Amino acid sequence: AQSVTQLDSHVSVSEGTPVLLRCNYSSSYSPSLFWYVQHPNKGLQLLLKYTSAATLVKGINGFEAEFKKSETSFHLTKPSAHMSDAAEYFCVVSDGTNAGKSTFGDGTTLTVKP
Amino acid sequence: NAGVTQTPKFRVLKTGQSMTLLCAQDMNHEYMYWYRQDPGMGLRLIHYSVGEGTTAKGEVPDGYNVSRLKKQNFLLGLESAAPSQTSVYFCASSYSLGGLNTEAFFGQGTRLTVV
Repeated sequence: AQSVTQLDSHVSVSEGTPVLLRCNYSSSYSPSLFWYVQHPNKGLQLLLKYTSAATLVKGINGFEAEFKKSETSFHLTKPSAHMSDAAEYFCVVSDGTNAGKSTFGDGTTLTVKP
Repeated sequence: NAGVTQTPKFRVLKTGQSMTLLCAQDMNHEYMYWYRQDPGMGLRLIHYSVGEGTTAKGEVPDGYNVSRLKKQNFLLGLESAAPSQTSVYFCASSYSLGGLNTEAFFGQGTRLTVV
């Protein structure tokens, strides 16, 4: 069975400082992993995805994530936060089980202080 | 390039009323999904479809029905709305089932309040 845990429900950073949003997953197979971003009153937009190619994945808006199988983690990072990064972020796992459906984490709200 | 379009964007219903949410996608995707989003609970799958004329139950299907008469459209129905169905509803579509190796594309959401 697949599952995903976002370790922080809220993260607050100052503009210009690094961002780290943590995600751990559980899967019996080789999973696909995704990070989505949701700005207020908007739909979800794909930031980046891991699908068994390079373990360091670069996404849009300067975000990247590293797939670490030994730690079952897929943490999202950005070197320098921008005010426009304030949003909710979802980690998603899909490994072909669960009748082929994806499993969403509960989300992490990122606040960026000026 | 419309992507996934949901209508309506907002709706207020009285308890016991019925309504239908419409989702349309123009990407020729086989797979479509309806999710509900509640604070602190992420997205939960209500129903999904693997192709025209087929639907299946997701994680929280009770109180909802769906239909996929045309490949591009996926309708979500509430037969008798309850306050517990107050939520934000998202439709999504993808090339492959469950987003394995490919991402899902989401609509802008429908904010439904049942009073």
